[in-house]
Amino acid sequence: AAGVIQSPRHLIKEKRETATLKCYPIPRHDTVYWYQQGPGQDPQFLISFYEKMQSDKGSIPDRFSAQQFSDYHSELNMSSLELGDSALYFCASSSWGWGQVNTEAFFGQGTRLTVV
Amino acid sequence: DAKTTQPPSMDCAEGRAANLPCNHSTISGNEYVYWYRQIHSQGPQYIIHGLKNNETNEMASLIITEDRKSSTLILPHATLRDTAVYYCIVRINAGNMLTFGGGTRLMVKP
Repeated sequence: AAGVIQSPRHLIKEKRETATLKCYPIPRHDTVYWYQQGPGQDPQFLISFYEKMQSDKGSIPDRFSAQQFSDYHSELNMSSLELGDSALYFCASSSWGWGQVNTEAFFGQGTRLTVV
Repeated sequence: DAKTTQPPSMDCAEGRAANLPCNHSTISGNEYVYWYRQIHSQGPQYIIHGLKNNETNEMASLIITEDRKSSTLILPHATLRDTAVYYCIVRINAGNMLTFGGGTRLMVKP
């Protein structure tokens, strides 16, 4: 079965650079979530989109922005990178619309961002 | 979403059942109990969820008490590959985000 695809899997950037992470949800899923996981920490929710509109916002820095496109894939844009942005970034997708009961979210394998 | 409390760590012998408890005493009537696990540095993996009835799938069973204030995830025959951090999450089943925190680190030992 198709899963959530994230790219790239690994990314190394220098301080103050910009990074773009991509997420391709499971087909027919309309909701995308972004999470950040620092070393030894639990995943922290950043932002989510439903039908291309922002649905929830968590602890996402102002330097980060995200959007969901017409094909439902999503991109997380990160500017002015700091050393503390080094983390695993996970994307998840689910099917929220049409009164779905089975709305568990499925996660991708993540992008490991290292800022040097 | 209601807060959950889990033990920070547990050990289990390979081949035995692993019973992971979770307290969610402030759960409201329309909140579901979800279980996820995260094997080292991999994406969190969905296990099971339920509202008030016990649930079973190919991975695990979920037992929810009648007052819904606590639940137990049961892995019937734990293997070494079940070593992971297990998260109990209470969430309204309407697509809002999952809040991860304070999971149980399960170590399955030979």
